Amino acid sequence: QSVLTQPPSVSGAPGQRITISCTGSSSNIGAGYDVHWYQQLPGTAPRLLIYGNTNRPSGVPDRFSGSNSGTSASLAITGLQAEDEADYCCQSYDTSLNVVVFGGGTKLTVL
Amino acid sequence: QLQLQESGPGLVKPSETLSLTCTISGGSISSGDYYWGWIRQPPGKGLEWIGTIHYSGSTYYNPSLKSRITISGDTSKNQFSLKVSSVTAADTAVYSCARHESLVAQFDPWGQGTLVTVSS
Repeated sequence: QSVLTQPPSVSGAPGQRITISCTGSSSNIGAGYDVHWYQQLPGTAPRLLIYGNTNRPSGVPDRFSGSNSGTSASLAITGLQAEDEADYCCQSYDTSLNVVVFGGGTKLTVL
Repeated sequence: QLQLQESGPGLVKPSETLSLTCTISGGSISSGDYYWGWIRQPPGKGLEWIGTIHYSGSTYYNPSLKSRITISGDTSKNQFSLKVSSVTAADTAVYSCARHESLVAQFDPWGQGTLVTVSS
């Protein structure tokens, strides 16, 4: 059971907008710790998509955006493309457990 | 460009010690105020942080694994290593190394990861 909760799967048609939620608690996201997002294609290392809640590393398209509110964070992908089909995972820090925490991951299917 | 590469046995017997090394290229383990971490992902499951070493040598471990984990650094070889003792099948996972700027910061870049299977 992951400390950060993500939906197991989401889907959308090409061109659509989807969001992936990452729900935490008052000891991690709610305590103000940054949320980071990764994209993971099968058999490859995680790729950093969003850091510090809303920031995109160079090379990441602006179709990807992050936000957070209270004890939750969200990753939004607009203009969905077939190449976006992958697993997406959130990361934060939990101050009561003193651990780096990850979400369980969400599989995005592009219909 | 900073790159990390994991290496070590792909098969470990139950009750033995798993040993992996992360070799850093394009940068130095001892330059800058960086942290170097280990993360694993069991088949079909999510990512789990194992632990981190700071360039100063300070270590930070996941409490759930702390009794079995040792992370160390070797500045002469520009490497850092992970040892997990008394392994069981539950330790079967893809093990990855990565750099971060603090315990609360993002991991970037990552190594490609290496699958370690615990089986007799």
